[in-house]
Amino acid sequence: DIQMTQSPDSLSASVGDRVTITCRASQNIWVYLNWYEQRPGKAPHLLIHSASKLQSGVPSRFSGSGSGTTFTLTINNLQPEDFATYYCQQSSSLPQTFGQGTKLEI
Amino acid sequence: QVQLQESGPGLVKPSETLSLNCTVSGGSISDYSWSWIRQSPGKGLEWIGNISASARTVYNPSLKSRVTMAVDPSKNQFSLNLNSVTAADTAIYYCTRDGPRGEFSHWGQGTLVTVSS
Repeated sequence: DIQMTQSPDSLSASVGDRVTITCRASQNIWVYLNWYEQRPGKAPHLLIHSASKLQSGVPSRFSGSGSGTTFTLTINNLQPEDFATYYCQQSSSLPQTFGQGTKLEI
Repeated sequence: QVQLQESGPGLVKPSETLSLNCTVSGGSISDYSWSWIRQSPGKGLEWIGNISASARTVYNPSLKSRVTMAVDPSKNQFSLNLNSVTAADTAIYYCTRDGPRGEFSHWGQGTLVTVSS
């Protein structure tokens, strides 16, 4: 299985800040990398697919980049609703696997 | 707007079979593939497997020996059976719609299944 490792595990920030979360794959996954946000008590929802494509309806302050084995999720101008846990997921090969999550805290 | 809703028992005894359904509304089940994903504190998010509208299945090798998925287009539903459960199978179970690049574009709200006697 492809291992996905996120860093950091947790991150403290303030409203209006810019933050970056990194996701690394144990082997080349080209751009088959997706990002999700999960708020407490809710299901994850898709933010970005194919490493950098913003899902419909997702605010433009979210962006993704990377290819191969290293990817980043950047959130500009943090809003109160952005304090949540973020997961990356590879869809390059089966079984699809997720990172362990990064908790973004105020 | 497509919506997914999981249903099934919230408590299953050890060694028995966990059975869940996912009902799709706002769209046809025939146009996509569908997955089950679970989330537990110990193992994070784990993809269980998926099923196409034509009932072709792909399972996670770690669970393959215990998993069966089925689809019922007449009810716009798909299902998950996981047999011989143990406490390690306690988790929130989500059903999802799969996108063309392997992303999970739509999620149900999730249902907590506890394995306990």
